[in-house]
Amino acid sequence: QKEVEQNSGPLSVPEGAIASLNCTYSDRGSQSFFWYRQYSGKSPELIMSIYSNGDKEDGRFTAQLNKASQYVSLLIRDSQPSDSATYLCAVNGNTGGFKTIFGAGTRLFVKA
Amino acid sequence: GAGVSQSPSNKVTEKGKDVELRCDPISGHTALYWYRQSLGQGLEFLIYFQGNSAPDKSGLPSDRFSAERTGGSVSTLTIQRTQQEDSAVYLCASSPNRGGRGQPQHFGDGTRLSIL
Repeated sequence: QKEVEQNSGPLSVPEGAIASLNCTYSDRGSQSFFWYRQYSGKSPELIMSIYSNGDKEDGRFTAQLNKASQYVSLLIRDSQPSDSATYLCAVNGNTGGFKTIFGAGTRLFVKA
Repeated sequence: GAGVSQSPSNKVTEKGKDVELRCDPISGHTALYWYRQSLGQGLEFLIYFQGNSAPDKSGLPSDRFSAERTGGSVSTLTIQRTQQEDSAVYLCASSPNRGGRGQPQHFGDGTRLSIL
């Protein structure tokens, strides 16, 4: 079992729709959870951090964390073509000095 | 303030040569990561430095790869006797890891390595 799993996609949604990206992790002691966006040919950039169970909203983005079920999700409301990118889920475990583990990423396409 | 700086931005070398890639993290960041990313692929973890602890080298693909971090700041990734399969973008990231839990990583722009 991979430590952080994501559906590779591609996920295709029409402009204006809600895009839902999911991620599961294996280390039950994980404390910190992140979503990064990576455009083709660019480095990953942080879009959301979440540390507690529940929802965290920032503009059009909402991160959801459920530690009991060991999943974290990212919702993108009113999706725009500029949201087309690969979204990486990252989890900091409770061991190894807070080493971050990345998922393989989900490719999102927003159709105009 | 200054972000993570990587140099060179591009490196083209012949098969069999050694290369050194440099990463200058954000000042005060105790954690430093190296990743490799081949075209269209995900991030491949290489090595992780955290403060004065022994580095986690579990991702280094072979003994041709090594990395060091001097004075808890600048890091150098060295690839000896380069092979064509080493061609990729090498990304460095740093993180403060304060408050008793992991913090987000800040990535450099990467070094694009091409082996002829």
